[in-house]
Amino acid sequence: DTEVTQTPKHLVMGMTNKKSLKCEQHMGHRAMYWYKQKAKKPPELMFVYSYEKLSINESVPSRFSPECPNSSLLNLHLHALQPEDSALYLCASSRITGNYGYTFGSGTRLTVV
Amino acid sequence: KQEVTQIPAALSVPEGENLVLNCSFTDSAIYNLQWFRQDPGKGLTSLLLIQSSQREQTSGRLNASLDKSSGRSTLYIAASQPGDSATYLCAVSTGGSQGNLIFGKGTKLSVKP
Repeated sequence: DTEVTQTPKHLVMGMTNKKSLKCEQHMGHRAMYWYKQKAKKPPELMFVYSYEKLSINESVPSRFSPECPNSSLLNLHLHALQPEDSALYLCASSRITGNYGYTFGSGTRLTVV
Repeated sequence: KQEVTQIPAALSVPEGENLVLNCSFTDSAIYNLQWFRQDPGKGLTSLLLIQSSQREQTSGRLNASLDKSSGRSTLYIAASQPGDSATYLCAVSTGGSQGNLIFGKGTKLSVKP
């Protein structure tokens, strides 16, 4: 299995809703990432998990709450989002040791209404 | 601070042409460089990964070169097809801690039948 699987593919939520994005990989990668991508822009790093521990938080607002329950799963919990948070949310994974590349998922298209 | 620039921002070519996409980076101390393809509203598909010690990588009609000392990489696409139409992103990894994949803004390629 050489894929990163993200669910759901599309999500529409109100500003008072609570929802979660899910990411799963079975490549044995011990680093997992959340990126946010706005239209016509490159992906921007949000969070990095290394060995299931949060290692980097790029000053993301607390309405985004990441969780890494095990080495294969990464969640992003969403609460009280704003319309400007509408974007494509991408999950990626990579090895930690050695000279590694990143594998990205197909993303979740989030619309906040 | 590492910066990645991609030229041109957009490119339109007739089917069958060979073409070159350019990527430059300001700090030559990179771990590796990765080329991605992104279709509209979709995730990133890894095309080629070049380690810092390598000069080029090939996959099918794609060839990527790396000149670390001059801070340049090129992606060569042979015999372009309409299905190659997408945005191509270049990203460098500077090694060390995770989460240091730095993207260019991409080149949007359109191949006309």
